Amino acid sequence: DAKTTQPNSMESNEEEPVHLPCNHSTISGTDYIHWYRQLPSQGPEYVIHGLTSNVNNRMASLAIAEDRKSSTLILHRATLRDAAVYYCILRGAGGTSYGKLTFGQGTILTVHP
Amino acid sequence: GAGVSQSPSNKVTEKGKDVELRCDPISGHTALYWYRQRLGQGLEFLIYFQGNSAPDKSGLPSDRFSAERTGESVSTLTIQRTQQEDSAVYLCASRRQAGGPPGTDTQYFGPGTRLTVL
Repeated sequence: DAKTTQPNSMESNEEEPVHLPCNHSTISGTDYIHWYRQLPSQGPEYVIHGLTSNVNNRMASLAIAEDRKSSTLILHRATLRDAAVYYCILRGAGGTSYGKLTFGQGTILTVHP
Repeated sequence: GAGVSQSPSNKVTEKGKDVELRCDPISGHTALYWYRQRLGQGLEFLIYFQGNSAPDKSGLPSDRFSAERTGESVSTLTIQRTQQEDSAVYLCASRRQAGGPPGTDTQYFGPGTRLTVL
């Protein structure tokens, strides 16, 4: 799977929106963009994924640049429970990469009350 | 419904001993993965099982590591002659099925087993 680049850490205040960026300049045309997050002392959990169009679900929104070389995970109103490490991952369309997720270092999100 | 469960939640062992970690995937999930997470690091892929296909063992760090899965149910990860560098959280994940649009699969993770090798 292609590489992603994320800031090491970000901070936000409770009730404010948070925009978590991810760069993936070597993304291929069939790579899906996935976001997972890992709360303290827990396993990662799926947040959202997309291919080309922006996506919304109950947890977050995903904005994908027109050239697909970057994306942004948007938490519309951060809560203290959103404090976690957020991972941006590209999922290939098959071959030997099919199945496993390649995790980078992620972004540590701190939410202040 | 029930999520992925792992046992034990914590395991402390002495260097040189063998350990066995267990994963119970979500019922009906055909794909199962093991990952390792060292303190402050991201997840490292270890091994992947999909149905009756040969497992993808490309992530196992040495021949001291092995894993088995019985059908589409429980999996065990065994580490023989443990070393201090094996200390980490070992995470298991499962996925409903192969197929569907490639790249859209979602993995469901267990809480992990924290292994400490003294």
